[in-house]
Amino acid sequence: DAKTTQPNSMESNEEEPVHLPCNHSTISGTDYIHWYRQLPSQGPEYVIHGLTSNVNNRMASLAIAEDRKSSTLILHRATLRDAAVYYCILRDRRTSGSRLTFGEGTQLTVNP
Amino acid sequence: DSGVTQTPKHLITATGQRVTLRCSPRSGDLSVYWYQQSLDQGLQFLIQYYNGEERAKGNILERFSAQQFPDLHSELNLSSLELGDSALYFCASSQGAGATDTQYFGPGTRLTVL
Repeated sequence: DAKTTQPNSMESNEEEPVHLPCNHSTISGTDYIHWYRQLPSQGPEYVIHGLTSNVNNRMASLAIAEDRKSSTLILHRATLRDAAVYYCILRDRRTSGSRLTFGEGTQLTVNP
Repeated sequence: DSGVTQTPKHLITATGQRVTLRCSPRSGDLSVYWYQQSLDQGLQFLIQYYNGEERAKGNILERFSAQQFPDLHSELNLSSLELGDSALYFCASSQGAGATDTQYFGPGTRLTVL
């Protein structure tokens, strides 16, 4: 499985944008880039996913580098509720069975 | 609320015992996944079922087994429990079994083995 690398922790201030980076230099052409997050004492929740083009949804934006070897999750205005561990995960569309392989993720702290 | 329910919320038991964790997926979802989250191993995929059949297996111990019933709910059975089995067990569900299918996670069952 292609691996991802994320910073262990990041800090931001409330109502400011947050850019969470993810490196995936061994990504294959059939890997989707997914982001999930885990709020304290909860199960993980889906944030966003993409293949080649940048994606936006009501929660966040995903910016994918042209060579696809890195991506950035963008929270446009962080709130205290966004404090969580953010996981960048690659999922191969060729694979039957679609497990999520979680790394250590990035612990995001949001300061009031 | 993800729509995935798990029971019980907490479970305390002794070494050597056997427990069953239950998961009800979101209405309409055919896939059920089980994950284990411990302090030293992080979140690890255990097993996936799709429409009653085993689809993929991860780091699931032989002492653990699972099944998905005709009504699509799933059970994870853990036997001969050891201290190291203490962890949070999450169930997730998705509509299909593809790489773009979003997984919706339940609130988890916290298992403590004494």
